[in-house]
Amino acid sequence: QVELQESGPGLVRPSQTLPLTCTVSGGSISSGAYYWSWIRQQPGKGLEWIGYIYDSASTAFNPSLKSRATISMDTSRNHFSLKLRSVTAADTAVYYCAAITIFGVLTNWGRGTLVAVSS
Amino acid sequence: QLVLTQSPSASASLGASVKLTCTLSSGHKNNAITWHQQQPEKGPRHLMKVNSDGSHFKGDGIPDRFSGSSSGPERYLTISGVQSEDEADYYCQTWAPGIHVVVFGGGTKLTVL
Repeated sequence: QVELQESGPGLVRPSQTLPLTCTVSGGSISSGAYYWSWIRQQPGKGLEWIGYIYDSASTAFNPSLKSRATISMDTSRNHFSLKLRSVTAADTAVYYCAAITIFGVLTNWGRGTLVAVSS
Repeated sequence: QLVLTQSPSASASLGASVKLTCTLSSGHKNNAITWHQQQPEKGPRHLMKVNSDGSHFKGDGIPDRFSGSSSGPERYLTISGVQSEDEADYYCQTWAPGIHVVVFGGGTKLTVL
């Protein structure tokens, strides 16, 4: 059973880069079985897909965030990472990492980590 | 454009049944969707996948009172015998494989009376 755990700073200054890491256990991120994903939830709002990485280096993003987001993976540490550049208060959210099967089914969620953007 | 539409809210009396709906946008009526539950102050959890033919596949440990079905572009989540712990937000999610886009519906807030 794949398990995911997010980690990163709880506070990021405006205009800076938000860095998050998702550590995967119970399976290898290089297995090719999943699209390794980031999703966020702004306060009081619904779920928003940010993007995912697959085949070790291919990525796909929500068009609304594509210009500011980067996703990478480190197979030696079995984790993948998100960097969101030029953040504003609107990027304050709970960020989740998740595993989406190659058939498009999101089956596993991390517990989420709250990131506040504030000076 | 791939869009999922959900009613913002629903309610059900304790022990009753409730059916939540997720509607696929035009041109995508054959998509499978996945239902997720988010209880208050918790992260989401996967409930089940629902195919266009109405077949559904639940995640590990999901109670029998949860089931899925389909009709045309609509995908349903039925809770038979609603419990107090079922009060939650329910999201549907789908995927466009050709263009690698993941989409969530806006969510339905279920209140148990």
